Amino acid sequence: NAGVTQTPKFRVLKTGQSMTLLCAQDMNHEYMYWYRQDPGMGLRLIHYSVGEGTTAKGEVPDGYNVSRLKKQNFLLGLESAAPSQTSVYFCASSPHSGGLADTQYFGPGTRLTVL
Amino acid sequence: AQRVTQPEKLLSVFKGAPVELKCNYSYSGSPELFWYVQYSRQRLQLLLRHISRESIKGFTADLNKGETSFHLKKPFAQEEDSAMYYCALKWPGGNKLTFGTGTQLKVEL
Repeated sequence: NAGVTQTPKFRVLKTGQSMTLLCAQDMNHEYMYWYRQDPGMGLRLIHYSVGEGTTAKGEVPDGYNVSRLKKQNFLLGLESAAPSQTSVYFCASSPHSGGLADTQYFGPGTRLTVL
Repeated sequence: AQRVTQPEKLLSVFKGAPVELKCNYSYSGSPELFWYVQYSRQRLQLLLRHISRESIKGFTADLNKGETSFHLKKPFAQEEDSAMYYCALKWPGGNKLTFGTGTQLKVEL
């Protein structure tokens, strides 16, 4: 049981390049999330999904797109990378909302640098 | 808009000393609050939640609605407590979280 995995671990992009970050979970969780972590800013929610085929915007969605074609995968795309998107990206998943089943389980993170 | 404030970026204490990591929130409804922790080279993970009223690894946190606070406390700090701690507030009607900016706890020998 690997939990939440993220691919790649590190990436360096040039301004204007595109890339996709992959998040996978093997816990059969309904909810998945993408956050970015910046110094002095904490974690900020980019996009999230409440189930296969659904996505929604979080606090800082501009410049990112997401897709949840399969329940276990949540992809984060950068169509035209900008230096302001240099950050550490975390994916998380949770069983569902409510009660004690809302604990979020985090991946190890992807460190992205945009030059 | 809901907000979580952790006023200290870094908190340094000696081993065996009491620890208090501060968290204040702004939210008009009935809040659900959490503490997440990230140890060095490990993933961010849930430490405790206020509705469980539990003590995890010696840490407790009490919700004070009057002061809109959810401070994390431990009577005697241990070296293994050194980590980054995040306070988080759950959005209403869903499972999204608003995180504070985090406090780095350093326990010195």
